[in-house]
Amino acid sequence: DGGITQSPKYLFRKEGQNVTLSCEQNLNHDAMYWYRQDPGQGLRLIYYSQIVNDFQKGDIAEGYSVSREKKESFPLTVTSAQKNPTAFYLCASSPDTEVLNSPLHFGNGTRLTVT
Amino acid sequence: DQQVKQNSPSLSVQEGRISILNCDYTNSMFDYFLWYKKYPAEGPTFLISISSIKDKNEDGRFTVFLNKSAKHLSLHIVPSQPGDSAVYFCAARSYNNNDMRFGAGTRLTVKP
Repeated sequence: DGGITQSPKYLFRKEGQNVTLSCEQNLNHDAMYWYRQDPGQGLRLIYYSQIVNDFQKGDIAEGYSVSREKKESFPLTVTSAQKNPTAFYLCASSPDTEVLNSPLHFGNGTRLTVT
Repeated sequence: DQQVKQNSPSLSVQEGRISILNCDYTNSMFDYFLWYKKYPAEGPTFLISISSIKDKNEDGRFTVFLNKSAKHLSLHIVPSQPGDSAVYFCAARSYNNNDMRFGAGTRLTVKP
């Protein structure tokens, strides 16, 4: 049963600490994405990766870092440089970025609270 | 720079009636549009899409209409059911860009 797994579902951290959010997919998708959702705003793109060992910044990459060492994994690190890290984070994947008609498949998200 | 806009944060309809969710976009390079449905504490799930070469796409109770000249699309749900109560996101992608832009979402409530 293929899908995207994000863990943990809820995460609490103290201000000033880096935290890494996990995202794993077994859909054999090439592309993976990280979005952030804030109340009253659409999903905003943080980073995306079209292929292993390559990734691109999205609109709000500042204060975040990613890696793509394996096709199935795309962890997101929220660093202490991120000014407003408290948010709902969504990981997504798609089979082929060259194919326009390929909707994103999302995980169930991680709600990060930084105090 | 919000390229995809959903100006109605919420919509309430009676069960059995039509729900119409609207979406406007500003980027004329967008040529593929999607609607996602999201329940609380879950990720969005793909609902229906339309490419710019069409003006209508239908899937069961869900129909998406695209008006390219007005840069406007809408999602019609007929008949609406209580299980349709969720947040609906409009999204758009351009052929030469790999990211997908999302609207802020519209919370639909279908009352029994």
